Amino acid sequence: DTGVSQNPRHKITKRGQNVTFRCDPISEHNRLYWYRQTLGQGPEFLTYFQNEAQLEKSRLLSDRFSAERPKGSFSTLEIQRTEQGDSAMYLCASSLRRDRGDTQYFGPGTRLTVL
Amino acid sequence: QQQVKQSPQSLIVQKGGISIINCAYENTAFDYFPWYQQFPGKGPALLIAIRPDVSEKKEGRFTISFNKSAKQFSLHIMDSQPGDSATYFCAASIGGSARQLTFGSGTQLTVLP
Repeated sequence: DTGVSQNPRHKITKRGQNVTFRCDPISEHNRLYWYRQTLGQGPEFLTYFQNEAQLEKSRLLSDRFSAERPKGSFSTLEIQRTEQGDSAMYLCASSLRRDRGDTQYFGPGTRLTVL
Repeated sequence: QQQVKQSPQSLIVQKGGISIINCAYENTAFDYFPWYQQFPGKGPALLIAIRPDVSEKKEGRFTISFNKSAKQFSLHIMDSQPGDSATYFCAASIGGSARQLTFGSGTQLTVLP
């Protein structure tokens, strides 16, 4: 049983550098989500894809953030010119759309530390 | 603004006791209310979920109670075990499916042996 995988699991970078995270969803899941979680808080929605189309974006997703899901499979989240405030756990989730709703399955996350 | 308020922030319960975590929401358009369990270093995992057409849902030792008029819902963990020690998040979304989940701030549960 292959769940959602995320790479890398940890990333330490210096302020101003660009970073890219990858998420591989559960096979055949057509929906993919990115969330950000800071210490002691619940995850905050960033963006959502249905297949390859990015359908929703949070106001939290500044111009420095970009997400892609080419061919509706894996997804990447890039942060340009990182800031210390970007330090957080970045979670990816996937789901399979059903008539009565769907369940989001989360990956283990990528912990980003910006020095 | 869509918000889900969760309490308490932390909870300590003796083994075999009942753990109760409460959430309140503001947006009456919310129509899907899941609870997630998160262990350190792991992503959240769905525990149980409810829709507003029922007032209670039970799965094993876990029960959700839902009060639509009060815009509140709660998680009850019966016969709490040390293995239940984790952080619990309530969440809500609109549209009959998970889509964009709005999470509460979490409750750190510790079950003492």
